[in-house]
Amino acid sequence: AQSVTQLGSHVSVSEGALVLLRCNYSSSVPPYLFWYVQYPNQGLQLLLKYTSAATLVKGINGFEAEFKKSETSFHLTKPSAHMSDAAEYFCAAGLGAQKLVFGQGTRLTINP
Amino acid sequence: NAGVTQTPKFQVLKTGQSMTLQCAQDMNHNSMYWYRQDPGMGLRLIYYSASEGTTDKGEVPNGYNVSRLNKREFSLRLESAAPSQTSVYFCASEPGQGKRNSPLHFGNGTRLTVT
Repeated sequence: AQSVTQLGSHVSVSEGALVLLRCNYSSSVPPYLFWYVQYPNQGLQLLLKYTSAATLVKGINGFEAEFKKSETSFHLTKPSAHMSDAAEYFCAAGLGAQKLVFGQGTRLTINP
Repeated sequence: NAGVTQTPKFQVLKTGQSMTLQCAQDMNHNSMYWYRQDPGMGLRLIYYSASEGTTDKGEVPNGYNVSRLNKREFSLRLESAAPSQTSVYFCASEPGQGKRNSPLHFGNGTRLTVT
């Protein structure tokens, strides 16, 4: 079955350090790709969306993601982590005839 | 602008009890969804409705029923709750009719515990 895989259920970085959250998808056709963020006790909010217009997508709060077809990846990055970035992040893909498929989520912790 | 509103926020049920989770959106969206979120499993689709009057099963529909009451409201019913249904339930909507490129708008979730 087509799927979305996030490598690392928990990532911990220091404040000011680079944030890298990994996402890979399995699909023979490039899907539509999304990153969502979930703060404690809240629903998911859209961070950014890839729709094939550009491989580097900028989102809110300084995050960006790069689509690499050859690697079937859509990793999320932020140059300098802030304490307010602590949250759970979900990668999702519109794959084939399926509805949106979500990865398992990555919890990001920021150390002072 | 409230967006997607879910009620209740918290619920504790005993095994075998029934309940309905309510969801309403005020964005005039066509499609609505119910997901469950479990640790380490991401979000899994229970049911969705691409338009008023239609509903379809998602990945994990067993033990649930849904009703698309009108364009605004999409409810999820547990007829006989089981401990395996302990989860956080999210309702979501999007303006299209299930198009793959349309981002979802989520409610804040209902935390359900079945003892």
